[in-house]
Amino acid sequence: QKEVEQNSGPLSVPEGAIASLNCTYSDRGSQSFFWYRQYSGKSPELIMFIYSNGDKEDGRFTAQLNKASQYVSLLIRDSQPSDSATYLCAVNNNYGQNFVFGPGTRLSVLP
Amino acid sequence: DVKVTQSSRYLVKRTGEKVFLECVQDMDHENMFWYRQDPGLGLRLIYFSYDVKMKEKGDIPEGYSVSREKKERFSLILESASTNQTSMYLCASSLSGSETQYFGPGTRLLVL
Repeated sequence: QKEVEQNSGPLSVPEGAIASLNCTYSDRGSQSFFWYRQYSGKSPELIMFIYSNGDKEDGRFTAQLNKASQYVSLLIRDSQPSDSATYLCAVNNNYGQNFVFGPGTRLSVLP
Repeated sequence: DVKVTQSSRYLVKRTGEKVFLECVQDMDHENMFWYRQDPGLGLRLIYFSYDVKMKEKGDIPEGYSVSREKKERFSLILESASTNQTSMYLCASSLSGSETQYFGPGTRLLVL
């Protein structure tokens, strides 16, 4: 079983809609959760991180964490064509020195 | 702002050549990482370092070595490049193991 799973997509949403990206993880000891955005040919850039159960909002982005279900999601409100990218979920258990990255979900926002 | 730089954006090498990829960070981060990224395989950890002169193998260390002589600099070495090492190589750094990783711009390596 893969440690961090994401739907590969592509996920297509119309401009202005809410995009919902999901990530599940297998290690119950995981403590830190990160969402990165990666444009084609570029390196990943951090969007936000979340440590506690519940929602965390930053502008148009909301991260949701449910440790009991081992599930973390990213919602993008009012999606824009510029949001079209691959979104990577990363998980860290605070004991190891490295992250585990999911394979990424490709999002396409259609004008 | 954290800045992670990599020595080259694009590199073309021949099979059997020794290849050096260099990464420098300017935020006094303890941890540094080397990944490769291939279509359909995602980000895979090659090596990481949590202190000067310390190194740990990641998921795919075969064919690679690393060097960290100074805190800000982490080098990836391909002792004898092979065509299956053609990839995008990404360096990252973090303050500690559980903190955000910041990535450099990447080096796209082509081995002919």
